[in-house]
Formats: sequence, C-alpha cells, structure tokens
Amino acid sequence: SQTIHQWPATLVQPVGSPLSLECTVEGTSNPNLYWYRQAAGRGLQLLFYSVGIGQISSEVPQNLSASRPQDRQFILSSKKLLLSDSGFYLCAWSVEGLRSPLHFGNGTRLTVT
Amino acid sequence: DAKTTQPPSMDCAEGRAANLPCNHSTISGNEYVYWYRQIHSQGPQYIIHGLKNNETNEMASLIITEDRKSSTLILPHATLRDTAVYYCIVRFTEGSSNTGKLIFGQGTTLQVKP
Repeated sequence: SQTIHQWPATLVQPVGSPLSLECTVEGTSNPNLYWYRQAAGRGLQLLFYSVGIGQISSEVPQNLSASRPQDRQFILSSKKLLLSDSGFYLCAWSVEGLRSPLHFGNGTRLTVT
Repeated sequence: DAKTTQPPSMDCAEGRAANLPCNHSTISGNEYVYWYRQIHSQGPQYIIHGLKNNETNEMASLIITEDRKSSTLILPHATLRDTAVYYCIVRFTEGSSNTGKLIFGQGTTLQVKP
C-alpha cells in the first residue's frame, strides 16, 4: 500500500533562517505531488504541484520554492523565512489523472519567531 | 474552476445521520465533486467523489442532484470522531492537463454532540 511521510512534525525557526521540509511517498511510481499551506484559522492554499521529476508549477508568488529531485521526493524550501511563513504545511500525492483522489500527509507545523 | 458554497457550521446528534449540503451551480460537465474532511491538526482525509451518479462507500454516501448544481454528503450514523471540517470541492480541470489539483474552500465545521 502507498504511504506518505512528512518531517519534521513541528518546527520553530527564527525569521531570516532557511527552511527545508521533505516529503516522500512509498508504494507508487510517478505520482503527482503537491504542497499546501494552512495559515492559522484559514483554509488550505495550494503552493506548488509537480507532475514529474524536475517539473514544478507554482500557484502563488511567495518566499518559498519547491524541488523534486527524485520521483517520490518533494522538498519545500526557503532561503529566508518571514513571520508570514508560519503555518501548517501539508504534502499530498495522487496517481496521474483528474479523477484520482489526493492523499495527504500528517503535515508540518511551522512557527517562525 | 467551479466554486462551491457550504454552510460554515452544522451540529448533529451522535448516532443520527449528518447531511452536509454543497452548492456548485457553475460546475461543468467533466468536473467531479470531491469531499474531504480535516480533523483538527491533521491532514485532510479523502471521503468520496462522484460525477453524476450517487456514490456510497464505507465512510459515506454522496447524493448529486440531476442538474449537478448541488450535492449532499451523508454520514449515516455520526459519531463523536466525525467532528471535523468537511470540504466540498469541484475538481479543477485545465484542458488536457492531468495535474488534478484541488482547490479548497472554507468548508463546513460539523460538530457531533453526545
């Protein structure tokens, strides 16, 4: 069966520090991968999605970037964190195709201080 | 992409059926209706999806009106663990692209009460 792993579960970082969040998927190949963010009391916002290695689409201009160095690995990064980057970051995967459900990881709660 | 409208909150008594409505009057012919829920501090959980026929699985039933402009998610016997935010989403389509991304709205907060 397929599983998705996100780490770390929680993270506290100072303003101006770099960020690297990692997401890996097991049990499937060539998945579509997604990064979402949920700010406190807000809905889920799609940040990036990827349909293949090295293929990244950005949904919202921001202080973040994403990379997909391997088929089942998706990384969210920032060179310098802002206070507004605080939130709940969720990685998700789906098999190729418009009807396939997205399956989410357990998320990383990031607090920028 | 079609927008959805859901009530911000609903209550349901434990053991009774929870009926969560969703309006999607601008849905197009090849767009599916998806339902997810998010329990506090967890990632969203897929529940069910459908195109035009009613669907049922081990978690819930999905009733889609004939004109497809609205749908209802039914939890047949709600438990306290069903307390969550429920999202109704019309699956975004972009020509022949197969990105399949989901755009979440504000959802309905369902409170199941003992």
